[in-house]
Amino acid sequence: EAQVTQNPRYLITVTGKKLTVTCSQNMNHEYMSWYRQDPGLGLRQIYYSMNVEVTDKGDVPEGYKVSRKEKRNFPLILESPSPNQTSLYFCASSPPLAGENPKTQYFGPGTRLLVL
Amino acid sequence: AQSVTQLGSHVSVSEGALVLLRCNYSSSVPPYLFWYVQYPNQGLQLLLKYTSAATLVKGINGFEAEFKKSETSFHLTKTSAHMSDAAEYFCAVSFSGGYQKVTFGTGTKLQVIP
Repeated sequence: EAQVTQNPRYLITVTGKKLTVTCSQNMNHEYMSWYRQDPGLGLRQIYYSMNVEVTDKGDVPEGYKVSRKEKRNFPLILESPSPNQTSLYFCASSPPLAGENPKTQYFGPGTRLLVL
Repeated sequence: AQSVTQLGSHVSVSEGALVLLRCNYSSSVPPYLFWYVQYPNQGLQLLLKYTSAATLVKGINGFEAEFKKSETSFHLTKTSAHMSDAAEYFCAVSFSGGYQKVTFGTGTKLQVIP
């Protein structure tokens, strides 16, 4: 089954304690992205990756890091989390060409993060 | 900078009525446009996308959207609302030809009244 998995699904942490949210896809997709979703703001892209070792900033990259050492994995790292990073985070993956099939981008189930 | 504006954060329709969710984009170059749906407590699912081919795009679950360059719009429609359509809908824009750098609208919550 094609899927994007994220772990953990829920996380409560304290300010300044480094954390990593993992993302893995089993579809051999080149492209992967991280988004955060906040009420009234929709989804905002944090980082994206076009392939292994190729990453770039999205609209709200401050306070986040990513790495893409393997094609299937795209972890999101918060080196020193702050309360304003409390949010719902989504990972997504897709092939490089949009194509005409609408079901070509897959989202993970989301990670709900609370930073105290 | 690219952006999308969704008019109406909440829309209510009766079951069986027309669904119209509005999206306008700001772009200096031809964009790629997307509509996503998010059901309660779930991730996002791509409904349809416009990639500079046909201006009328058909998606899943009976939804379609029409790209109108003169109006810089990409409104989402469905002729007959079903209770299962109740969800939040997001319009999004990209200039990269794919999903690399995507900017989302703030979302519209659709309520379907029986």
